[in-house]
Amino acid sequence: KNEVEQSPQNLTAQEGEFITINCSYSVGISALHWLQQHPGGGIVSLFMLSSGKKKHGRLIATINIQEKHSSLHITASHPRDSAVYICAVSQGGSEKLVFGKGTKLTVNP
Amino acid sequence: DGGITQSPKYLFRKEGQNVTLSCEQNLNHDAMYWYRQDPGQGLRLIYYSQIVNDFQKGDIAEGYSVSREKKESFPLTVTSAQKNPTAFYLCASARVYPPGELFFGEGSRLTVL
Repeated sequence: KNEVEQSPQNLTAQEGEFITINCSYSVGISALHWLQQHPGGGIVSLFMLSSGKKKHGRLIATINIQEKHSSLHITASHPRDSAVYICAVSQGGSEKLVFGKGTKLTVNP
Repeated sequence: DGGITQSPKYLFRKEGQNVTLSCEQNLNHDAMYWYRQDPGQGLRLIYYSQIVNDFQKGDIAEGYSVSREKKESFPLTVTSAQKNPTAFYLCASARVYPPGELFFGEGSRLTVL
């Protein structure tokens, strides 16, 4: 059983919609990462957080340590947000990262 | 600009051949990682290194080898012993202390003919 579960697996939205992607994990963690993988394959780190909430532009990431759950929100979604969003949890250093399978987001104009 | 560079982007190999994927970073990161990505699966760790001249096996190291002779460089060799080498390979680097976010290369897609 994968220790990191993401939902939904696929998500289609219209431009301007508010997007939420969820990540649940089953083990104690030291940090949680949200990553964005572009269609060409390159991956960019969006957030690394261990508590509370972080915001960067139209992206917001929250984490609830007690419930072992994190959400990634995208406000005013745009077609350029179309990508695969990956959640990963760290149980120590980055060598112990466990990755979710990703959520494929498509934003239509 | 600081970053992490992988090459080649696409590589074709005949069965029985070894191939080496290059990964170079100029971020002054101590830690470097190689991941494999297959369709429908999460990234899996092949090898990692946290210091020059030292590296550790990840979850799927069989059939792969690495070296870390310089801080900036962490090449991955896919040997003929790797049974199913066709995949997308990603290199990443990170600060060790305090733990930092991962920086990824653009990836290398290996196809075995």
